[in-house]
Amino acid sequence: NAGVMQNPRHLVRRRGQEARLRCSPMKGHSHVYWYRQLPEEGLKFMVYLQKENIIDESGMPKERFSAEFPKEGPSILRIQQVVRGDSAAYFCASSPSGTGTMNTEAFFGQGTRLTVV
Amino acid sequence: DQQVKQNSPSLSVQEGRISILNCDYTNSMFDYFLWYKKYPAEGPTFLISISSIKDKNEDGRFTVFLNKSAKHLSLHIVPSQPGDSAVYFCAAIRAGSARQLTFGSGTQLTVLP
Repeated sequence: NAGVMQNPRHLVRRRGQEARLRCSPMKGHSHVYWYRQLPEEGLKFMVYLQKENIIDESGMPKERFSAEFPKEGPSILRIQQVVRGDSAAYFCASSPSGTGTMNTEAFFGQGTRLTVV
Repeated sequence: DQQVKQNSPSLSVQEGRISILNCDYTNSMFDYFLWYKKYPAEGPTFLISISSIKDKNEDGRFTVFLNKSAKHLSLHIVPSQPGDSAVYFCAAIRAGSARQLTFGSGTQLTVLP
């Protein structure tokens, strides 16, 4: 049973370009969370998705950032017109269930390290 | 506003001794707490958790204690091993939320051989 797969592991983009980060959840998991870790900080929640639905995007910047989790394929976190401040590690986590489940254990991917030059 | 705080950025402990990592929170709506361990260039790995209805949970060398009145939890590792050297994150889940994790800023634990 493969774990949460994120790709690419490292991504370099010039200012103004687009960044696409992919996350394939663990088999059988239909809940995906995206987190961002800035240098020297903890992980910060960005968005929570289920298949074809955004459940909570309260942690995601209103502009330039979007996320999707289509019926088929991985979840995608998309950052348009990247700026230097977007440089961070982006982690995806998946779980078999979400809201209302007490013992939800989220499994994390290895992250994508985005560097904006 | 940091709702989960880990005030010690680093901790060094001798191999075989006890490691105690501390975490404080401010939001009384948190009802579930977790500890994650993270090695460089890897994602966080779940370690142990505790529900707000309990005050202690034990799993092998790892024990988590929760003091609700003080809004404080701690992770005890006994005995500490060099392989335990990593960054430890405390995280909390708010009741009625979408179960997203609110993380502390982490504590770098170094276990000296």
